[in-house]
Amino acid sequence: AQSVTQLGSHVSVSEGALVLLRCNYSSSVPPYLFWYVQYPNQGLQLLLKYTTGATLVKGINGFEAEFKKSETSFHLTNPSAHMSDAAEYFCAVRSYSNTGKLIFGQGTTLQVKP
Amino acid sequence: GAVVSQHPSWVICKSGTSVKIECRSLDFQATTMFWYRQFPKQSLMLMATSNEGSKATYEQGVEKDKFLINHASLTLSTLTVTSAHPEDSSFYICSARDYGGQETQYFGPGTRLLVL
Repeated sequence: AQSVTQLGSHVSVSEGALVLLRCNYSSSVPPYLFWYVQYPNQGLQLLLKYTTGATLVKGINGFEAEFKKSETSFHLTNPSAHMSDAAEYFCAVRSYSNTGKLIFGQGTTLQVKP
Repeated sequence: GAVVSQHPSWVICKSGTSVKIECRSLDFQATTMFWYRQFPKQSLMLMATSNEGSKATYEQGVEKDKFLINHASLTLSTLTVTSAHPEDSSFYICSARDYGGQETQYFGPGTRLLVL
């Protein structure tokens, strides 16, 4: 069965500092991986995705993530945090069921301090 | 990018009434849509997968007679919470899968339901 684990339910960084949000997955087949961001009282916005090809994927707002098969990881980074990056972040893996549903991690709240 | 809308964004209703939530893909066709429920400070819980022209597939533990799903067209799916009770109060989010975009799911803005 596929699963996603996000290490750290809450991450706090200073404005301008590096952001690192951790995501590990479990999948017996090559995964499709996603990072979504959710601002308060809103739906989810796609940040970036990995399907095939280049393992370092770049997304919106300066975020990027690297697919590391050997570590079964897909950590999200941003070299410089902005106050506007404060939000909830979800890592997800696409299920290989015929519905193609997403399996989400528990979420990580990013706090950015001035 | 692909846009998914939900209506209404907020709804307050009395216990025992039914509430319908619409999910629309505005600029692409979605043969598959998904309905999620989210409790405060928690992740999304998939309720059901909605397939155009066929019956929805419900996740284990979700009452299909309580949460009616209809996917009558390639751009519209509806979720009806029947005989709503206070414990149904939650944030409901839909998503639509764009096959043209490597099967990426695009999410609606969510609907906040409060049952009094």
